[in-house]
Amino acid sequence: ETGVTQTPRHLVMGMTNKKSLKCEQHLGHNAMYWYKQSAKKPLELMFVYNFKEQTENNSVPSRFSPECPNSSHLFLHLHTLQPEDSALYLCASSQDLLAGGMEQFFGPGTRLTVL
Amino acid sequence: DAKTTQPPSMDCAEGRAANLPCNHSTISGNEYVYWYRQIHSQGPQYIIHGLKNNETNEMASLIITEDRKSSTLILPHATLRDTAVYYCIVRVYNQGGKLIFGQGTELSVKP
Repeated sequence: ETGVTQTPRHLVMGMTNKKSLKCEQHLGHNAMYWYKQSAKKPLELMFVYNFKEQTENNSVPSRFSPECPNSSHLFLHLHTLQPEDSALYLCASSQDLLAGGMEQFFGPGTRLTVL
Repeated sequence: DAKTTQPPSMDCAEGRAANLPCNHSTISGNEYVYWYRQIHSQGPQYIIHGLKNNETNEMASLIITEDRKSSTLILPHATLRDTAVYYCIVRVYNQGGKLIFGQGTELSVKP
């Protein structure tokens, strides 16, 4: 247990569906992240939030929409995805973006399949 | 950020020490070496980090060469549960947030 939970753990959706991934951290951290891991590829950073403010969007298509209502919760809203978006989506948190930013705590991930 | 080079895969016998190398010949003076691992289909897990001194914690030891151009992560008594992909990352300490993961080393611990 890392103190970061993600739901659902598995999700299958059609290309016209709208779904959301949820991440919650119980560590009192101020920074949260979304990563994508496609099969046989390294993790790719998608979004970074610090104190609820988005600080980085790594050229992610607009069909992925993040939301950070408070420092403990992070959502990834999904709309009209493509089959190539099928991947493991990982949430992480860290104390902040400065000295504590390198020690990130990851959730178990959501395995997404787009049909 | 400095580039890192790791072997794509390694084997280790259970109970023996696993020594995972990482080359970072372009590392600059204010960059730290971080190690994470990812067990299959789980989120990555932080292991250890260091600047120039050797470091040890309950999980592993990190040996950094005097010129800082390479380092070795040591798992002193590898178990089957240590089978994972191990990532070496070099980053400036106070510019945290953006971890860039490479391909890492896939360590297989065998009985």
